[in-house]
Amino acid sequence: EADIYQTPRYLVIGTGKKITLECSQTMGHDKMYWYQQDPGMELHLIHYSYGVNSTEKGDLSSESTVSRIRTEHFPLTLESARPSHTSQYLCASSGSGTGEEEQYFGPGTRLTVT
Amino acid sequence: QQQVKQSPQSLIVQKGGISIINCAYENTAFDYFPWYQQFPGKGPALLIAIRPDVSEKKEGRFTISFNKSAKQFSLHIMDSQPGDSATYFCAASISGTGANNLFFGTGTRLTVIP
Repeated sequence: EADIYQTPRYLVIGTGKKITLECSQTMGHDKMYWYQQDPGMELHLIHYSYGVNSTEKGDLSSESTVSRIRTEHFPLTLESARPSHTSQYLCASSGSGTGEEEQYFGPGTRLTVT
Repeated sequence: QQQVKQSPQSLIVQKGGISIINCAYENTAFDYFPWYQQFPGKGPALLIAIRPDVSEKKEGRFTISFNKSAKQFSLHIMDSQPGDSATYFCAASISGTGANNLFFGTGTRLTVIP
């Protein structure tokens, strides 16, 4: 079982609040990812990181930002939450070498902005 | 632009039957095709994956069939069980591009009736 953790699992917050979604992995993976998933829909990549101090935007435009100061930690921040940010956010990681394509997913954070 | 198209959106199968989910892609540079299984409240987990140098890969009751010329691949679940009820996502990526970004299909919600 993959060792990738996300907190909180559920978050209900008012418009305009700043929030940070936490993601940590204990597998020493250099690559990490954030996906946005609406109910019954595909996963859209919003951010990814090759390693420490490396972050890139994904295919889906997002108002969120990320940081990668430590290998194991990849937090996502929304400076001012809006109802349009209501979604499930999934964090994933992958390693290098053999099997590098396999991404391990956390359980997700379901965010509701009221 | 949908990189990977998946069908059907939902599927109901009797216990013991065969579940078949289909995916198609356009980008011939894709060289890694995984299937992910997602249960409610959980993140997706890798089920089985294939590369274009083989036409079929089998792991237990799960088989991927791959048709390179048609740019299609499918997941077959033999002897489907109620425990297989989940959402299944196909995906595709290009190896060696650094981040190994996955492009996901829209998902198929499978229900296996006892």
